[in-house]
Amino acid sequence: SQQGEEDPQALSIQEGENATMNCSYKTSINNLQWYRQNSGRGLVHLILIRSNEREKHSGRLRVTLDTSKKSSSLLITASRAADTASYFCATVTGGGNKLTFGTGTQLKVEL
Amino acid sequence: DAGVIQSPRHEVTEMGQEVTLRCKPISGHDYLFWYRQTMMRGLELLIYFNNNVPIDDSGMPEDRFSAKMPNASFSTLKIQPSEPRDSAVYFCASSLGQGLYFGPGTRLTVT
Repeated sequence: SQQGEEDPQALSIQEGENATMNCSYKTSINNLQWYRQNSGRGLVHLILIRSNEREKHSGRLRVTLDTSKKSSSLLITASRAADTASYFCATVTGGGNKLTFGTGTQLKVEL
Repeated sequence: DAGVIQSPRHEVTEMGQEVTLRCKPISGHDYLFWYRQTMMRGLELLIYFNNNVPIDDSGMPEDRFSAKMPNASFSTLKIQPSEPRDSAVYFCASSLGQGLYFGPGTRLTVT
């Protein structure tokens, strides 16, 4: 079963605009991670945020986490055509290292 | 490092045949994961290992699926007998516990 649900399912923006994707999950987490997947490729790890953190930055990426609402958001600023990909959130719960992925958001950045 | 290596990249087989997928994780990583991705079900965790020991195989669909990790540098996922509904992209990923590194995947088509 899917732990995370991304919203929106698809997003189309113009180059230079910001893109925001949201992720909701069901159970308490140890950490939440965001991944990117280009068409026909494997997933690439973008950023990890722990349950006791509220915000993290990495280059043009900003991730927030609200554990009271069981939600996270990924903001990509000043988007580029190369950012076109699917973006997935994934959560780690319990005592192990089991990573459960959400359904993904397809982002298209147009020139 | 070459990253996670998977073979074959593409596999087309007939229903009832045995299929073996192979994975070489990144050297030094102590976690290894097998995921399956389809349009209908998204990314599903099949099984993961820690220090070559299976930790969670609750995602393995049925007895037709088996996975082994005989040493730290090699893992196999075997399907016997294969069925058309097994058609998917199978990803191997390795980790040191903070973020997964995915291989390019094996696209399996069972006719």
